[in-house]
Amino acid sequence: NAGVTQTPKFQVLKTGQSMTLQCAQDMNHEYMSWYRQDPGMGLRLIHYSVGAGITDQGEVPNGYNVSRSTTEDFPLRLLSAAPSQTSVYFCASRQDSYNEQFFGPGTRLTVL
Amino acid sequence: TQLLEQSPQFLSIQEGENLTVYCNSSSVFSSLQWYRQEPGEGPVLLVTVVTGGEVKKLKRLTFQFGDARKDSSLHITAAQPGDTGLYLCAGVIFGGSNYKLTFGKGTLLTVNP
Repeated sequence: NAGVTQTPKFQVLKTGQSMTLQCAQDMNHEYMSWYRQDPGMGLRLIHYSVGAGITDQGEVPNGYNVSRSTTEDFPLRLLSAAPSQTSVYFCASRQDSYNEQFFGPGTRLTVL
Repeated sequence: TQLLEQSPQFLSIQEGENLTVYCNSSSVFSSLQWYRQEPGEGPVLLVTVVTGGEVKKLKRLTFQFGDARKDSSLHITAAQPGDTGLYLCAGVIFGGSNYKLTFGKGTLLTVNP
């Protein structure tokens, strides 16, 4: 099992550009989430999904879109990148509400 | 919004010393998780404590959940350089078919040889 994989590892964008952060898991987990991690702020939930076709907003959803067409994939889209979105982004998955959450290795995004 | 306060934010100690990291909140949690994160990697779950007053041990690490399920502590005995990393606590609240996970800001531990 590869676990949770994220691509790219690093990305630099200019303000106003759009991009998609990819996340995939091979553990057949129903629950997937996107977090951002900023210095002094901890991990904050952006969007999450409880299964294919079902997504919901987390704590800081503005400026981001998600979709879940398959169990395996949960991409995060930045519609028009802003410097405030410079952060490290983590994708996570878990089987259900009661099980361990597994995190991917992260994507470090810089918006100039 | 449930807030989790972690302290200290930074901790630098010598190999062999003991240390305690605290995680406090005014909210009651269904359970509390502790993660360890190394540079360039995602957090990895160390332990989940569920019952008020529960104590769990993982080798030299001892985790305790407060009686009222509002706070937790992580104690490391005889710290090793391999313990260096960012320690995160996360409070779990169940709601309907999902749960909400609220993270503390983390404690960055450096253990010097």
